[in-house]
Amino acid sequence: AQRVTQPEKLLSVFKGAPVELKCNYSYSGSPELFWYVQYSRQRLQLLLRHISRESIKGFTADLNKGETSFHLKKPFAQEEDSAMYYCALTGKGAQKLVFGQGTRLTINP
Amino acid sequence: DAGVTQSPTHLIKTRGQQVTLRCSPISGHKSVSWYQQVLGQGPQFIFQYYEKEERGRGNFPDRFSARQFPNYSSELNVNALLLGDSALYLCASSYERGHSYEQYFGPGTRLTVT
Repeated sequence: AQRVTQPEKLLSVFKGAPVELKCNYSYSGSPELFWYVQYSRQRLQLLLRHISRESIKGFTADLNKGETSFHLKKPFAQEEDSAMYYCALTGKGAQKLVFGQGTRLTINP
Repeated sequence: DAGVTQSPTHLIKTRGQQVTLRCSPISGHKSVSWYQQVLGQGPQFIFQYYEKEERGRGNFPDRFSARQFPNYSSELNVNALLLGDSALYLCASSYERGHSYEQYFGPGTRLTVT
C-alpha cells in the first residue's frame, strides 16, 4: 500500500529557530519523494524532490530508506516560510502523486 | 505562460446534479491529472490522462469521469453529486523528463454541494 503520513497538522516555531517537518511513507519498491508547498492565496508548488538533492529556500530533505522517512529541515526559519507543506510520493515511471495530509507551518516573529 | 488554468473558480451545485470542471495545461504539456482535496486533507488522485488516453485512475466511483481533448485540455465530470463531493478540485499538468515527472498545479475549482 502507498501511504504518506505527516504526523503534525500544525507546527509553530519562532523566527530564527530550526524547523523540521516530519514525513513517513509506506511503499513497496523505490519511491520518489517530494515536498510541495502552498503559500497563502497561491497554488500548490513543488519545493524539492529527493532525487535532485538540492537546497531550495534553505530547505533540505534527506530520504532515509531504513526509517522510511523524508523529513524537511531548515536551520533558521524565516517568516516567509509560513505556509502549508505537503509530503508526497510517486512510483518510478508513475505519475500519480500520493500526498500526506499536510502540515501548517507558522513562523512567529 | 499563465500556468495551468482552471474554470470555474467556484461552483455551487445541489445534490443529484452534474458538474463539469475544465483545465488547460501549460503549453507543451501533454499530461493532465486531476486531484480532489477535501478540507483538512491532502490532494487525492482521481485521474491521469496522457495524449488523450486514460493512464491512471484513483479509488473514485464511476460517477467521476474525465476526458482530454486534442489540444490537451481536459474536463472532469461528476454525476449525481453527493454532499461529500464538496472539495477543491485540482488539475496538474506535466511533461516527460527522463523517468521522473514534475507536476504543475492549477489554482483549483472550489465545488460546494448543498
